[in-house]
Amino acid sequence: AQSVSQHNHHVILSEAASLELGCNYSYGGTVNLFWYVQYPGQHLQLLLKYFSGDPLVKGIKGFEAEFIKSKFSFNLRKPSVQWSDTAEYFCAVTPPAAGNKLTFGGGTRVLVKP
Amino acid sequence: NAGVTQTPKFQVLKTGQSMTLQCAQDMNHEYMSWYRQDPGMGLRLIHYSVGAGITDQGEVPNGYNVSRSTTEDFPLRLLSAAPSQTSVYFCASWRAGSNQPQHFGDGTRLSIL
Repeated sequence: AQSVSQHNHHVILSEAASLELGCNYSYGGTVNLFWYVQYPGQHLQLLLKYFSGDPLVKGIKGFEAEFIKSKFSFNLRKPSVQWSDTAEYFCAVTPPAAGNKLTFGGGTRVLVKP
Repeated sequence: NAGVTQTPKFQVLKTGQSMTLQCAQDMNHEYMSWYRQDPGMGLRLIHYSVGAGITDQGEVPNGYNVSRSTTEDFPLRLLSAAPSQTSVYFCASWRAGSNQPQHFGDGTRLSIL
């Protein structure tokens, strides 16, 4: 069975700092990859997704992620965070044949101090 | 366009009580699913459906039943609630196809005493 690991459970940083959240998955075949964000008290929203093509994917709100197939990784980055980026971030993967039945990582809580 | 609607938003139950969490979507999505969210464990798939009349188990199905009599609705039933089922429950729907993202409801926070 596939699994997803997010290395950091909690990240605290100041506004304007750079953010990188790690995500590694275990699955030998082709996968679709997603990052979702959950702002306090809200539901999950799609931040960005990768299916094929350019491994550097740009999402909403200045986020980007890089798919490195050889490392089974899909790390999320943002060059300069804002207080409004305080949220929990989830990496998720699915084999295309699974109809997007997602396997989620454990999540990373990010706190941006003003 | 309401998207995915979950009711109730909050519920407290006693051990052994039964309960149905409601989920409805108005986007004519073929696929629907239920997840539970627990601290440090991300979202875990409980049950999912690829269309009306078709359901299947996810990662953590025990203690939960589902049915999909219409495309729009996908209720989750707890027949005999247990404290281990205290969690936040999210319903999601998405269009069939390998590159379609899931749309999530606002969640139901359930506490079992």
